[in-house]
Amino acid sequence: GENVEQHPSTLSVQEGDSAVIKCTYSDSASNYFPWYKQELGKGPQLIIDIRSNVGEKKDQRIAVTLNKTAKHFSLHITETQPEDSAVYFCAASPDSLNTGNQFYFGTGTSLTVIP
Amino acid sequence: KAGVTQTPRYLIKTRGQQVTLSCSPISGHRSVSWYQQTPGQGLQFLFEYFSETQRNKGNFPGRFSGRQFSNSRSEMNVSTLELGDSALYLCASSLEGLAGVDEQYFGPGTRLTVT
Repeated sequence: GENVEQHPSTLSVQEGDSAVIKCTYSDSASNYFPWYKQELGKGPQLIIDIRSNVGEKKDQRIAVTLNKTAKHFSLHITETQPEDSAVYFCAASPDSLNTGNQFYFGTGTSLTVIP
Repeated sequence: KAGVTQTPRYLIKTRGQQVTLSCSPISGHRSVSWYQQTPGQGLQFLFEYFSETQRNKGNFPGRFSGRQFSNSRSEMNVSTLELGDSALYLCASSLEGLAGVDEQYFGPGTRLTVT
């Protein structure tokens, strides 16, 4: 099955700096890659996703890049703010007709933004 | 539009007992997936239901089971509880996943403690 590795496990940045979280996956059949943000006491919240026909996607301060050849994808947060502090998870899933939803998650990155 | 709701939010059970957790997906969503989240193992996929049928299954023992009703609401059951079943159980809903994987949206989770 799919194996998703995520680094780093913890990350501290100064407010206003950028944060980068990296994930690798093993199954070449995976072609949908969402990122989730989980705050304390809450469920994961989808913040951005990318499909394999796109190399980069941006939404305001958040961007995701995908290198399908190398089987890795990254989350970039620019101009970080204290409210960005949370645990971030990457995930991978096959994306073809009738496979349904079966996501494989990374182990999470605890991001702390220092004011 | 209301989000994914899960009940109960907290539960304390004794070893050997069984438990049933409930999930109501976002209106219009027909796929419901269940995940177990623990500090040691992270987010692990349990199973996915679509149109009242189990469509995908993770690598969990048969003590973990689920079902989906005609209104897309889903329940999961854990029988003969073990201490290691203590976890946050998350439900995620998505549209259909028929034409490729759809975005998944998570509920707040049910915190199960087994004593």
